[in-house]
Amino acid sequence: TQLLEQSPQFLSIQEGENLTVYCNSSSVFSSLQWYRQEPGEGPVLLVTVVTGGEVKKLKRLTFQFGDARKDSSLHITAAQPGDTGLYLCAGGIGTYKYIFGTGTRLKVLA
Amino acid sequence: ETGVTQTPRHLVMGMTNKKSLKCEQHLGHNAMYWYKQSAKKPLELMFVYNFKEQTENNSVPSRFSPECPNSSHLFLHLHTLQPEDSALYLCASSQGGTTYNEQFFGPGTRLTVL
Repeated sequence: TQLLEQSPQFLSIQEGENLTVYCNSSSVFSSLQWYRQEPGEGPVLLVTVVTGGEVKKLKRLTFQFGDARKDSSLHITAAQPGDTGLYLCAGGIGTYKYIFGTGTRLKVLA
Repeated sequence: ETGVTQTPRHLVMGMTNKKSLKCEQHLGHNAMYWYKQSAKKPLELMFVYNFKEQTENNSVPSRFSPECPNSSHLFLHLHTLQPEDSALYLCASSQGGTTYNEQFFGPGTRLTVL
């Protein structure tokens, strides 16, 4: 069974702090996506990484895909209350199949 | 309407009822997905349709029956559900062909089975 474990599960931090969320698997993925989901809404894509070792930056968010394409990390610099939400990683398999991670619930306090 | 819409947003049903969830995408995509999101499990892929043809069925029980009459509409027909089927059901679409493409999600239907 393919599984994507995210850590930590829950994170509560003060505004301005930095944080890193990890997404790990024993499976190899063709792509790795990160989504953020807010209450009452569906997940919204933040980034897609496809090459082992790839690093992408989106303002204060930095995403990295592991060299072996089995793991990924999301680093947020100087977190803001607007970053609060559920962060999900998703590994792509084949053409249409995605395996979603266990999720990290982030709360940033003002 | 823009993006991906889902109706109803909330549904309460008994175990003997039959109901349907509806999803519509206004993005011109060819692939549509049903996912189940429950409190204690990761988001689970249920079904995938590409150009109206089912390409994935992730071992979903037969009490869930999908229907995709065209590339813009997707239904999930429900019958004789169990309380453990209570969850948020999310629909998504993508311009398919690879898993590099962005999935656009609807807001979901919150289903409660009594």
